[in-house]
Amino acid sequence: GAVVSQHPSWVICKSGTSVKIECRSLDFQATTMFWYRQFPKQSLMLMATSNEGSKATYEQGVEKDKFLINHASLTLSTLTVTSAHPEDSSFYICSAPLAGVNEQFFGPGTRLTVL
Amino acid sequence: GENVEQHPSTLSVQEGDSAVIKCTYSDSASNYFPWYKQELGKGPQLIIDIRSNVGEKKDQRIAVTLNKTAKHFSLHITETQPEDSAVYFCAAGSGTSYGKLTFGQGTILTVHP
Repeated sequence: GAVVSQHPSWVICKSGTSVKIECRSLDFQATTMFWYRQFPKQSLMLMATSNEGSKATYEQGVEKDKFLINHASLTLSTLTVTSAHPEDSSFYICSAPLAGVNEQFFGPGTRLTVL
Repeated sequence: GENVEQHPSTLSVQEGDSAVIKCTYSDSASNYFPWYKQELGKGPQLIIDIRSNVGEKKDQRIAVTLNKTAKHFSLHITETQPEDSAVYFCAAGSGTSYGKLTFGQGTILTVHP
């Protein structure tokens, strides 16, 4: 149990386009999901907290107008990278905690490459 | 906010040896300390965790110790195997924010056959 999936697993896009990444909790409901970004050989940096039915909470330094988050259901959160640029190329990972505990389950990640 | 420091950044051991990775944290309100293993191109996988009311936890070859007074916790892997080679991350969870984790910088563990 407690499986989180992401789609797509990798994506290549041209500079200036927008890319949507989906995060799904497959066998549990998640009122909260987290989005992380990981640059090569670096740690996971929390970008934002996605809340079902309300606005996301962004970490300091993360542009909310560039990284649009929508948590429309209890099993799906989406991250849209708008007007992507090469510096947005990274590994994007989502996670979801089980209700009532701090334990998080991570998705497999999405590799974004912006040309 | 919380700050987690992890050492060493790289660790190389021979198969069968033990490996120890250490982390310190800054926020005394943190009460959840998980360890994750990440293989290349994949998401982190939880390997063991410990909560602030426990000093030590063991699961087969893996153990974690927590010293809340000193604000540090450690991962111990015994009888290492080549398949243990990966990047390991520690993290700290604050009890003031549901599920939010701060990660350490990561340790690249290489186990030589």
